[in-house]
Amino acid sequence: GENVEQHPSTLSVQEGDSAVIKCTYSDSASNYFPWYKQELGKRPQLIIDIRSNVGEKKDQRIAVTLNKTAKHFSLHITETQPEDSAVYFCAASLKSYQKVTFGTGTKLQVIP
Amino acid sequence: GAVVSQHPSWVICKSGTSVKIECRSLDFQATTMFWYRQFPKQSLMLMATSNEGSKATYEQGVEKDKFLINHASLTLSTLTVTSAHPEDSSFYICSAPQNFLATNYGYTFGSGTRLTVV
Repeated sequence: GENVEQHPSTLSVQEGDSAVIKCTYSDSASNYFPWYKQELGKRPQLIIDIRSNVGEKKDQRIAVTLNKTAKHFSLHITETQPEDSAVYFCAASLKSYQKVTFGTGTKLQVIP
Repeated sequence: GAVVSQHPSWVICKSGTSVKIECRSLDFQATTMFWYRQFPKQSLMLMATSNEGSKATYEQGVEKDKFLINHASLTLSTLTVTSAHPEDSSFYICSAPQNFLATNYGYTFGSGTRLTVV
């Protein structure tokens, strides 16, 4: 089955700096890669997603890149703000309506 | 947007008792429901996939007789933790795929259930 690895497990950045989280996946057939933000005790919230026919996608301060050849994808958050502090999960699935395999999570702390 | 209502949000039960968790899709038909378990400071681990009108598919290592899943209608899926023990204490969350919209695929998550077994 699919295996998704995520690094780093914790990340501290100064407010205004950029944060980068990286993930690798094992199943070359995976085609859908969502990123989630989860606050303590809450449900995961989709912040951005990318499909295999796209190499990069951006939404305001958030961007995701995908390298299908290398089987890795990354989340980039620019101009970080304290409210960006949360746990972020990358994920992968064969299609966007099939089961999702989550990465191990990155706890992001943005220091004011 | 699509909403999945999950109840209860938290429950405390005695060891050996059973607990039922419900996930109800409010404004769409959820033919599939994914059930996840999340231990503190860990990731979401898929337990099983339920499909309306058929038997659930369990992930390796998940006891199907302990975690009973029922998906009897297009808007309701339930997870029953039978004979719960303290090690079953966790955050349980359901998720339904939105595969009926042409351009807005993704997943809708329930709000989660915090189960504590004492």
